[in-house]
Amino acid sequence: KAGVTQTPRYLIKTRGQQVTLSCSPISGHRSVSWYQQTPGQGLQFLFEYFSETQRNKGNFPGRFSGRQFSNSRSEMNVSTLELGDSALYLCASSSGTGMNTEAFFGQGTRLTVV
Amino acid sequence: AQSVTQPDIHITVSEGASLELRCNYSYGATPYLFWYVQSPGQGLQLLLKYFSGDTLVQGIKGFEAEFKRSQSSFNLRKPSVHWSDAAEYFCAVGAEDMGRRALTFGSGTRLQVQP
Repeated sequence: KAGVTQTPRYLIKTRGQQVTLSCSPISGHRSVSWYQQTPGQGLQFLFEYFSETQRNKGNFPGRFSGRQFSNSRSEMNVSTLELGDSALYLCASSSGTGMNTEAFFGQGTRLTVV
Repeated sequence: AQSVTQPDIHITVSEGASLELRCNYSYGATPYLFWYVQSPGQGLQLLLKYFSGDTLVQGIKGFEAEFKRSQSSFNLRKPSVHWSDAAEYFCAVGAEDMGRRALTFGSGTRLQVQP
């Protein structure tokens, strides 16, 4: 079956703009998590959604937000972009919320803020 | 709060040599531990995981890891490295708090394989 699909794969935005990234989980998976990966900070947890509800949120400013739709697809939005938001944004889906359910990662969206 | 330390930023081994990547974690309860691999421009692929039971876990691509509670370690090993193993490896600890999940990752170890 198809894996986790993230679109777009690459994105260039200007400081101050906003951006929306999309994640389509594996069919049947209802949990979606987002991570930010930067050379300086590494991989950091952003948020987790399950059945359209945000269940957990990492330590990021309010400019970072997300949502999940009834078909489990998820979007994350970053407003008022800063240079430091340049990163690879990874989405992971799993069938459940327990840690014993495997998280499958997408290839990520590479965001560059100029 | 949990944390993960991967002491080695970069490791170079010869093809066919054995490999051990170190991982130390900090977590109050019994941890969920993972090793992921990331090839350039790609997402993360799960190599193996430990939840409970046998402390030596087998994963894909010939990797294994051993959970040592006394040392708070979960080191990744492979007896014979192949050139295709060159990638970045991440150790992660999972926290499950009231059904909420989040992974805390180490800073990664970049593996280079010499012919």
